[in-house]
Amino acid sequence: RKEVEQDPGPFNVPEGATVAFNCTYSNSASQSFFWYRQDCRKEPKLLMSVYSSGNEDGRFTAQLNRASQYISLLIRDSKLSDSATYLCVVNKVGGFKTIFGAGTRLFVKA
Amino acid sequence: EPEVTQTPSHQVTQMGQEVILRCVPISNHLYFYWYRQILGQKVEFLVSFYNNEISEKSEIFDDQFSVERPDGSNFTLKIRSTKLEDSAMYFCASSENIQYFGAGTRLSVL
Repeated sequence: RKEVEQDPGPFNVPEGATVAFNCTYSNSASQSFFWYRQDCRKEPKLLMSVYSSGNEDGRFTAQLNRASQYISLLIRDSKLSDSATYLCVVNKVGGFKTIFGAGTRLFVKA
Repeated sequence: EPEVTQTPSHQVTQMGQEVILRCVPISNHLYFYWYRQILGQKVEFLVSFYNNEISEKSEIFDDQFSVERPDGSNFTLKIRSTKLEDSAMYFCASSENIQYFGAGTRLSVL
């Protein structure tokens, strides 16, 4: 089983759509969780941290379910500028090793 | 806004040569990382560095690789005797708790 597994994608959605990304992780001792976005041939950029209580930042909502070892990201009212690859990122205990999922590509079309 | 700076942006080298990739982390950060991303593949953890020593490394980070913080600002990745399969984008990151990534160095081994 992969350490961090994401929906393979790509997702093709129209502007204004709501899209959800899923991620599972294998190490129950994992400590911290993030969503990053990566534009083509660019560096990953932090989108948001993920907490068990859930967190929201504008159109973006992230949720962590530790019991199911599952992380989600919801994007509401998709914009053309949301087109990117979304990376699920997990830090193991101690925080010194970071595991990236393979990413889910999102295309938002007019 | 503080940022992680990487040089060069593109490095071309002959197979068997040594390369040094350079990074200037964000000044008050204490944790430093190197990652690799082969074209079309996921971001892979190489090594983390804290308190002037390696804190964790992946199975990719073998004797061919080394890291150093030669002064108070630079953080380098040395790749000895480069192979064709070392061609990739190499990202440096630094953190207090959230990792911020540099724009990367594209290494092309010919």
